[in-house]
Amino acid sequence: DVKVTQSSRYLVKRTGEKVFLECVQDMDHENMFWYRQDPGLGLRLIYFSYDVKMKEKGDIPEGYSVSREKKERFSLILESASTNQTSMYLCASSFEWGQYFGPGTRLTVL
Amino acid sequence: GENVEQHPSTLSVQEGDSAVIKCTYSDSASNYFPWYKQELGKRPQLIIDIRSNVGEKKDQRIAVTLNKTAKHFSLHITETQPEDSAVYFCAVHQGGGADGLTFGKGTHLIIQP
Repeated sequence: DVKVTQSSRYLVKRTGEKVFLECVQDMDHENMFWYRQDPGLGLRLIYFSYDVKMKEKGDIPEGYSVSREKKERFSLILESASTNQTSMYLCASSFEWGQYFGPGTRLTVL
Repeated sequence: GENVEQHPSTLSVQEGDSAVIKCTYSDSASNYFPWYKQELGKRPQLIIDIRSNVGEKKDQRIAVTLNKTAKHFSLHITETQPEDSAVYFCAVHQGGGADGLTFGKGTHLIIQP
């Protein structure tokens, strides 16, 4: 069974803080993804990675960066958190086609 | 980029009836079409998918149909049950397996007892 875990279920941060969201998968998947989910907007792709140290921008990368130092771990970084980054953040991984999601981190920026 | 439209945004059906959710996409090069179910407070779960070389796929009470010419695909749920209540998302994949998905905005399916 695929297991994708995220470091926190809930997180509250202040405007301007640097925020790290961690994602770990245990299935040796090549590909990992970060999405944000907002009501009425569905899931939108922020960044993805198809290999260690490789990263590609998704549809809404502004204000975010990522790090993939190890195959199983993919981190999303908010360099200077802003209130419009309050959202549910979902990590996913895949080997070929179907993506498997983590439980999500609900981030609130005050 | 790819544009995915999903309808309806809310669907209410009587228990035991069928439900159909439709999605259209814009890029004719898209080649993989998964459907996800998300129950309240839980992660999206892949429930069925179809690739561009297949027109229909079934798994027990759920089926997906794809019309590549018209660039639309649909999720069909028969004999609906209370546990089918959830938000359903369609998604489209344009390139190889490494690329991300473009999602529809979701359909809230409500099963009325």
